[in-house]
Amino acid sequence: DVKVTQSSRYLVKRTGEKVFLECVQDMDHENMFWYRQDPGLGLRLIYFSYDVKMKEKGDIPEGYSVSREKKERFSLILESASTNQTSMYLCASSLGRWTGELFFGEGSRLTVL
Amino acid sequence: GENVEQHPSTLSVQEGDSAVIKCTYSDSASNYFPWYKQELGKGPQLIIDIRSNVGEKKDQRIAVTLNKTAKHFSLHITETQPEDSAVYFCAFNTGKLIFGQGTTLQVKP
Repeated sequence: DVKVTQSSRYLVKRTGEKVFLECVQDMDHENMFWYRQDPGLGLRLIYFSYDVKMKEKGDIPEGYSVSREKKERFSLILESASTNQTSMYLCASSLGRWTGELFFGEGSRLTVL
Repeated sequence: GENVEQHPSTLSVQEGDSAVIKCTYSDSASNYFPWYKQELGKGPQLIIDIRSNVGEKKDQRIAVTLNKTAKHFSLHITETQPEDSAVYFCAFNTGKLIFGQGTTLQVKP
C-alpha cells in the first residue's frame, strides 16, 4: 500500500525556534513536494524536488528551506519560526511530475506562539 | 500569476441530491485537471482527473466535465451520500500543479 508518512501530526513551537518537518515515502518516487494549507487559500506549493539533492522553489518559499539527502526523505525547515507560519503542512510524492497522482501524507499542524 | 477560482466555497445538500463544484483556470495551455478529496484529519486523495483531449469522464457517481474554450471544469457528484462529506480541491497544471481554494461539501442524512 502506498504510504507517505509525516513524522509529526501536531507541533507547538515558539517564535524564533528552528523547526524540522520530516516526510518519508515508501513508493520509490522521484518527485516530492511540500504544500501549505490555509482556509480559503487552498494548497500552496512551498518547495519541490525532482531528485536527490535537488530542490526548486514553489510559490511561497520565503522563510522555508528544504533538504533531500535520500530519495525517500524530504524535509521542510523553518529556520526561524514566525506566527504567520502557523498552518497545516502537507507533504506529497508522485511518480510523474505534474500530470500524475500526488500521494499526500496526513499533514503536520504547526502552531507558532 | 497562474490561478484557479473554485466555487462555491461551501455546499450543503440533502442525501441523494447532486452536487456540482466549478473551477475556472487561467492557463489555456494546461492539459491536466485533477480533483482531490480531503476527509477530516487526512491528506487529500485523488478521486478523478481529466486530460485536455476529452470533454467528460465518469467513474461511478462522480464525473468531471471540461470546457477548454471557456477555461472551466466541473466536478459532479450524483446520489450523494454522507461519506461524500469532505473538502474538495480542483487543480490544473501549468509547469506545476495549482490548487483551487477548496469546497467544503456537507451531505445531510
